[in-house]
Order: sequence, then C-alpha cells, then structure tokens
Amino acid sequence: EDKVVQSPLSLVVHEGDTVTLNCSYEVTNFRSLLWYKQEKKAPTFLFMLTSSGIEKKSGRLSSILDKKELFSILNITATQTGDSAVYLCADLFGNEKLTFGTGTRLTIIP
Amino acid sequence: DAGVIQSPRHEVTEMGQEVTLRCKPISGHDYLFWYRQTMMRGLELLIYFNNNVPIDDSGMPEDRFSAKMPNASFSTLKIQPSEPRDSAVYFCASRHGGGAHEQYFGPGTRLTVT
Repeated sequence: EDKVVQSPLSLVVHEGDTVTLNCSYEVTNFRSLLWYKQEKKAPTFLFMLTSSGIEKKSGRLSSILDKKELFSILNITATQTGDSAVYLCADLFGNEKLTFGTGTRLTIIP
Repeated sequence: DAGVIQSPRHEVTEMGQEVTLRCKPISGHDYLFWYRQTMMRGLELLIYFNNNVPIDDSGMPEDRFSAKMPNASFSTLKIQPSEPRDSAVYFCASRHGGGAHEQYFGPGTRLTVT
C-alpha cells in the first residue's frame, strides 16, 4: 500500500501570510493526488491532480503535482482565519482506494 | 442535494455492546466508502462498495466489524462486540462513477466505547 507523507505536521502563521504545504507519495499504480480541508467535521474536497506541472487554482488556493519527484504542494496566499484547518492529501491508486496522509494542521493567528 | 447523511452523530456505548452506524450516500453515487479516523492512525479506509457490492474490505480490522449495503441508498457498519480501541470517528463517503474520483464525506459518527 502506498505511503503518503505530509509536512509540516503543524504550522502557525499570521493572517495575510502565504503558506506552502507539502505532500509526498510513493508510486505504486499511482492515478491521482487529492487535497482535502478538514475543519471540525468532515473532510471537504479541494483539488484533484492527475497531470504533472498543471496548476489547479481556486481563489487563494492553488496546487500542483510533480510526478517525477513524487510530490505535490498546496499554496494558500493572503491567509485568513477561516483557512485554519487540517489539510489532508490522499493518493488514489489501484482501483478506488485513497491513502491519506496524517495531515498538516494550519493555524492562522489574527 | 442533502449530501451524505450519517446517523447517529454521536454514540457512547459500553464494551461488549453491538454498535450499528448508518449511512445514506448522495443520490446517484455508485461508490460508498467507510473510513475510520483516529489521532494515532489518521484516516483509514475500512471497506468500499460499488453498486452495492463490497469490492475491498481489506481495511476492516477484524471479524468484529461487518458492513452491508442492501440498496443504493443505505449502508451500515456494525461492530459486535465493541471494544474501547474502536473509539474513533467513522466517516462514510460516496462518489459518482466515471472519471471523477473526488469523494464526498458525511459528517461522521463519533463513537466512544467505555
């Protein structure tokens, strides 16, 4: 089973800062990499990345995949307190299975 | 759309009791997934169904766990007998068939076994 490693484990920044979250994975039948945001409840879907080098963007969030180096980054610019959450990345491999990393806990200080 | 619905939202039970968690996936979704989330192990896939058929149950921790999907709009995860180490948040997720692989999660059931 693939292993997904996220870094840093936690991050505390001030509102307005830009953050970069990292996700590395091992490839065994790799298909896609997904990012989720988890506040107090269920994870909510952010991005799915399949092709290397193509940035996906949604407002202040963006993400890119590097299939050669086996990693992805999630960038958040001009952070707001509402961005405080655990950010999870997951590797989709094989048929339908997602393997999740342990997450990065992001805290935004007003 | 109502999203994925799970019940109960919280369950507290004593060791040895049977626990049944319920899930209603998003209408029209072909896949249903059961996950467990703990601080120690993060989010782990337990089992998933495609068109009501269990496809992969390799994540089910032991025989005390069982899952069923009698129809396209309902699934259960049962633990019998429950143990304190089963305490966790259990999520159900669903997704549409075809090329889109993003899964949509329910609010979860927080299970505490004392």
